[in-house]
Amino acid sequence: QLQLQESGPGLVKPSETLSLTCSVSGGSISSNIYYWGWIRQPPGRGLEWIGTIYYSGSTSYNPSLKSRVTISIDTSKNQFSLKLSSVTAADTAVYYCARRIGSYAREIDYWGQGTLVTVSS
Amino acid sequence: DIQMTQSPSSLSASVGDRVTITCRASQTITTYLNWYQQKPGKAPKLLIYAASSLQTGVPSRFSGSGSGTDFTLTISSLQPEDSATYYCQQSYSSPYTFGQGTKLEIK
Repeated sequence: QLQLQESGPGLVKPSETLSLTCSVSGGSISSNIYYWGWIRQPPGRGLEWIGTIYYSGSTSYNPSLKSRVTISIDTSKNQFSLKLSSVTAADTAVYYCARRIGSYAREIDYWGQGTLVTVSS
Repeated sequence: DIQMTQSPSSLSASVGDRVTITCRASQTITTYLNWYQQKPGKAPKLLIYAASSLQTGVPSRFSGSGSGTDFTLTISSLQPEDSATYYCQQSYSSPYTFGQGTKLEIK
């Protein structure tokens, strides 16, 4: 059974960089079938797509966040990571890592449990 | 970006009721439409992909339909455990945007 687990600081100061890692177990992140991504959800609000990465390192970002986002992958550790720079209170959210099917419907079939990141001084 | 609009934003129904949630895309997305269920404090769970395909393990009372810009999620006989927020998502073009959610409560 595939499992995804987010890790990283739960509190980040304004203007600093948010950094999270997603550890994948029960399956290989190097598969050419899947993409790996990040989605966030501000408290009490809806879901926002942040971006995805393929095992080759190819990325796709939400244009609204593109100037501040970097997603990277470490196939040797079966992990991928998110960096979001120059954060403000508006970046406070539960951050989910997830697996997206690479073809057909391109649905998200596995999610991490989510981790709350609060931006505050 | 493609905008996804769900209706209603919330609804209340009784056990055994037939419930329908609608999702409309701002442009055609053919059948690149997925539905997720989210319970409080939990990650979303995939229910329906490609507009009408039932994800493995999801009860058959859930069904999806539609193509182009208009889609529906139907629960044929509402159960207490179906109390949740439901989201549609388009996977036609990146960024793969979500609807604003429909909160379903059991009377």
